[in-house]
Amino acid sequence: KNEVEQSPQNLTAQEGEFITINCSYSVGISALHWLQQHPGGGIVSLFMLSSGKKKHGRLIATINIQEKHSSLHITASHPRDSAVYICAVREGSNYKLTFGKGTLLTVNP
Amino acid sequence: GAGVSQSPSNKVTEKGKDVELRCDPISGHTALYWYRQRLGQGLEFLIYFQGNSAPDKSGLPSDRFSAERTGESVSTLTIQRTQQEDSAVYLCASSPFWQSSYNEQFFGPGTRLTVL
Repeated sequence: KNEVEQSPQNLTAQEGEFITINCSYSVGISALHWLQQHPGGGIVSLFMLSSGKKKHGRLIATINIQEKHSSLHITASHPRDSAVYICAVREGSNYKLTFGKGTLLTVNP
Repeated sequence: GAGVSQSPSNKVTEKGKDVELRCDPISGHTALYWYRQRLGQGLEFLIYFQGNSAPDKSGLPSDRFSAERTGESVSTLTIQRTQQEDSAVYLCASSPFWQSSYNEQFFGPGTRLTVL
């Protein structure tokens, strides 16, 4: 079974700071997802990637398959970025996702 | 277009009662997934549908939990004789098909279930 670890568990930042959230996993995967969950809200898929790097606005996701590690970066953070960020991995053609416990990000104005 | 919808958004029930949670996937999405998120814990896989068949029910925590799906449309998750440990947010997701390893899942807003 894949173990998905996220760090840090909690992160507090000041508006404008550069944010990095890390995810590591134990077994080879076919895809990794980054998800965002706002308090009381549903989950939004931010990225799905299997190699390299993806960018969307102020968000950047990278993955290193050899090191079994992915990072989510937020540039010029804003209070509206405050949310729980969840990493999830898929193995091979398995439809199941294995989730990390999430990182609670709070961005103060 | 419309995303995944779930109803009710919140449900408070008494221990021992049965509850039904509904998920309407994105139109045309073949695959449908149910997850549970208990307070302070990560998401747990419950069940997956490919069309209206459920090839994998291994995540259902007990025989009090069941789910069905009508065609490639709405799904209902039923919890019988609810217990306090069933309190959680139940999330539904859908994806166009399951065979691709690169398939993205689209999540609904969830149903927050509280068992008193």
